[in-house]
Amino acid sequence: EAGVAQSPRYKIIEKRQSVAFWCNPISGHATLYWYQQILGQGPKLLIQFQNNGVVDDSQLPKDRFSAERLKGVDSTLKIQPAKLEDSAVYLCASSLNPGRDQETQYFGPGTRLLVL
Amino acid sequence: AQSVTQLDSHVSVSEGTPVLLRCNYSSSYSPSLFWYVQHPNKGLQLLLKYTSAATLVKGINGFEAEFKKSETSFHLTKPSAHMSDAAEYFCVVSDSRGYNKLIFGAGTRLAVHP
Repeated sequence: EAGVAQSPRYKIIEKRQSVAFWCNPISGHATLYWYQQILGQGPKLLIQFQNNGVVDDSQLPKDRFSAERLKGVDSTLKIQPAKLEDSAVYLCASSLNPGRDQETQYFGPGTRLLVL
Repeated sequence: AQSVTQLDSHVSVSEGTPVLLRCNYSSSYSPSLFWYVQHPNKGLQLLLKYTSAATLVKGINGFEAEFKKSETSFHLTKPSAHMSDAAEYFCVVSDSRGYNKLIFGAGTRLAVHP
């Protein structure tokens, strides 16, 4: 079974530029998550989709971050404009059943973003 | 609000000796608790999870953790460390309000020396 796919793996941009990350979850997984992991910290949830609807985006900086999950499959996370503090690894995860507690989340390899 | 505290940012052991990674949690409800491992340039992998069944949870690669409600702890142990265990380990609590939101600790970096 293929795992969670993410691209690109690495990205370097200058501040005020825009950037987009792509995630393809495990086939059949209803729930998709985007996390931000700053160096030296644990991942922090940015947004959670259940099928193609948002169930939690309370920690998403909506003035610059946006995400969509068209057709309830793959997803794109965008930053526009980027700031220096956005330098981090962006992790995508998916889980099988929507909204169930204790459900195992499967993580992709992440996209490492450096903002100069 | 739920949270986890990993008591050690770095742990160093010799190959073949026991591993102990400490984690305390805070939760208003019966928590679900997890340990994830992150090897360099690889995705997070689930080691084990506690879901209110047995308090001693066995995971992959010989790791296990014990849920102690009285101490609000969920420490991760392994009897004998292997070089391949060197990685970052995260203790995680699930937000019991639903929607499976994971709250991560800051992580413990485990080094294993020959």
